[in-house]
Amino acid sequence: DAMVIQNPRYQVTQFGKPVTLSCSQTLNHNVMYWYQQKSSQAPKLLFHYYDKDFNNEADTPDNFQSRRPNTSFCFLDIRSPGLGDAAMYLCATSRDSPGQGRTDTQYFGPGTRLTVL
Amino acid sequence: GENVEQHPSTLSVQEGDSAVIKCTYSDSASNYFPWYKQELGKGPQLIIDIRSNVGEKKDQRIAVTLNKTAKHFSLHITETQPEDSAVYFCAAIRRGGGNKLTFGTGTQLKVEL
Repeated sequence: DAMVIQNPRYQVTQFGKPVTLSCSQTLNHNVMYWYQQKSSQAPKLLFHYYDKDFNNEADTPDNFQSRRPNTSFCFLDIRSPGLGDAAMYLCATSRDSPGQGRTDTQYFGPGTRLTVL
Repeated sequence: GENVEQHPSTLSVQEGDSAVIKCTYSDSASNYFPWYKQELGKGPQLIIDIRSNVGEKKDQRIAVTLNKTAKHFSLHITETQPEDSAVYFCAAIRRGGGNKLTFGTGTQLKVEL
């Protein structure tokens, strides 16, 4: 039944040790998003993919990268996690292309809680 | 860019009472307004949404109203239950804005027995 799946749900890494978070979807949506959410704050968009077209937000640090090998999967890579990167990471999907001026509902996954030691 | 303000930041009601959360937006080009419920440790869940060509939408105990002239929209929950306790986020998407969600700051709703 789950439509947007994130693994793992909890991830612990060490300061500076690369980590990869994964997201998969069964909705066959064109667009996939990655958000960072810190405690008591709203989600903050890091980047999104429309199909294979990558769109980075201007204020997303270079430390954050993403890969989308196919329609169903998208990965978030944090190259050198710092203590400030500890957060909930949320994946979301929407059906259609942002570039066409349409507005489409975004559906979120359950999130991955990242702890940096 | 778009700015969304949300009030109150915390709301405590008795079970069975109604709860109202209000949001205002700044960009008149915004045309889609979803509401998300986020329980502790979980991802945001869409509970209701409204587009700018509609003034009100209802789904069982939940309703959303939109006033385009005043640029504000509200979430109404009637007959609240303890399981309604969560953080609620309003959001807006600007037409032609790349489907980018601008979130409000969130409301922590607590339904007390």
